[in-house]
Amino acid sequence: EVQLQQSGPELRRPGSSVKLSCKASGYSITDYLMHWVKHRPEHGLEWIGWIDPEDGETKYAQKFQSKATLTADTSSNTAYMQLSSLTSEDTATYFCAKTTTGVMDAWGQGASVTVSS
Amino acid sequence: DIQMTQSPSFLSASLGNSITITCHASQNIKGWLAWYQQKSGNAPELLIYKASSLQSGVPSRFSGSGSGTDYILTISNLQPEDIATYYCQHYQSFPLTFGAGTKLELK
Repeated sequence: EVQLQQSGPELRRPGSSVKLSCKASGYSITDYLMHWVKHRPEHGLEWIGWIDPEDGETKYAQKFQSKATLTADTSSNTAYMQLSSLTSEDTATYFCAKTTTGVMDAWGQGASVTVSS
Repeated sequence: DIQMTQSPSFLSASLGNSITITCHASQNIKGWLAWYQQKSGNAPELLIYKASSLQSGVPSRFSGSGSGTDYILTISNLQPEDIATYYCQHYQSFPLTFGAGTKLELK
């Protein structure tokens, strides 16, 4: 069974950074792209970008180009997303999602990030 | 970027009824459209892909249709567990974009 287990909730100060993890089980992360999605209840879902864990290639939505950095560790079958220069606008729940041809067919449970002074 | 316009934003319906949600793409997405269901506090779940293909394990009361720029999600015989927010998403090109969501509640 494919499962994506994300790291726990985070509380950060404005201007700091945070690194979220997404550990896959039931498949090898090198077999599929891993996408990351931002969710804020009043703003819906926003696509952040993807990483190909096999070769580290990444692609980002323009809005997140300077905000997010996607990496992967194939030895631990884990994908990561670092968010930098945090502001209140980054307060959200972040999901990792495995994709098959662009369709997100398995999702992590989400990781809550709260940015507050 | 392809813009996805989803309507309605809110929908109130009775158990056993059928509902439809529409999604309009700003350009032809050639059927590369998915529908997701998100229950409060949970991760979205894939319902439909390639506009009309039902994801494994999803009840047959969910169906999708459409082509070009216009797509529809239909839920027949509405059940209590269908109360959720529904999103469309295109995957014709990058960046991927989602509709704004339709919040479905029981009347």
